[in-house]
Amino acid sequence: QSVLTQPPSVSGAPGQRVTISCTGSSSNIGTGSDVHWYQQLPGTAPKLLIYGNNNRPSGVPHRFSGSKSGTSASLAITGLQAEDEADYYCQSYDSGLSLWVFGGGTKLTVL
Amino acid sequence: QLQLQESGPALAKPAETLALTCTVSGDSISSRTYYWGWIRQPPGKGPEWIGSVYNNWSSYYNPSLRSRVTISVDTSKNQFFLKLNSVTAADTAIYYCARHHSVMGILIAAMMFDPWGQGTLVTVSS
Repeated sequence: QSVLTQPPSVSGAPGQRVTISCTGSSSNIGTGSDVHWYQQLPGTAPKLLIYGNNNRPSGVPHRFSGSKSGTSASLAITGLQAEDEADYYCQSYDSGLSLWVFGGGTKLTVL
Repeated sequence: QLQLQESGPALAKPAETLALTCTVSGDSISSRTYYWGWIRQPPGKGPEWIGSVYNNWSSYYNPSLRSRVTISVDTSKNQFFLKLNSVTAADTAIYYCARHHSVMGILIAAMMFDPWGQGTLVTVSS
């Protein structure tokens, strides 16, 4: 059971918009800890996609955006493309447990 | 461009010690205020943070693994290391090393993992 809860899977057709939620608690996201998102393409290492809740590293398309409110965060992908098919993970810091935590991951399928 | 590469045995026997090396290229491991971390990912599961170290002066460990883990740094070789003692089948995973940092200095609640090495699969089996 992950400290950060994500839906196991989401799907969408090319061109559509999808969102992936990341639900935490008052000891992690709710305390103001930043949320970061990673994309893991099949057979590769996770890659930083969004940092500090809503910032894109250089090279990440504007189609990817992040938001945070209360004890939850969301990743939105607009203009869905086949190459976006991957696993997505959120990550934050839990001050109650004193460790950095990841969500269980969400598998995005492009129909 | 900063790059990290894990190396070490792909197989470990139960009750033995798993030892991995992460070689950093593209920047000095001691040049800035960065932590260097290890993360593992069991097959089909999400990542799990193992621990992070800063120049051998400061370290953080996952409380669930603290009693079995040691992470150290060799600045002369631009490498950092993971040792995990008394391994069991539950320690079978892809092990990744990564830079562990925040945009504004060392801010615990804002730290992220970037970039990651390509990962190395370690199987614990007799």
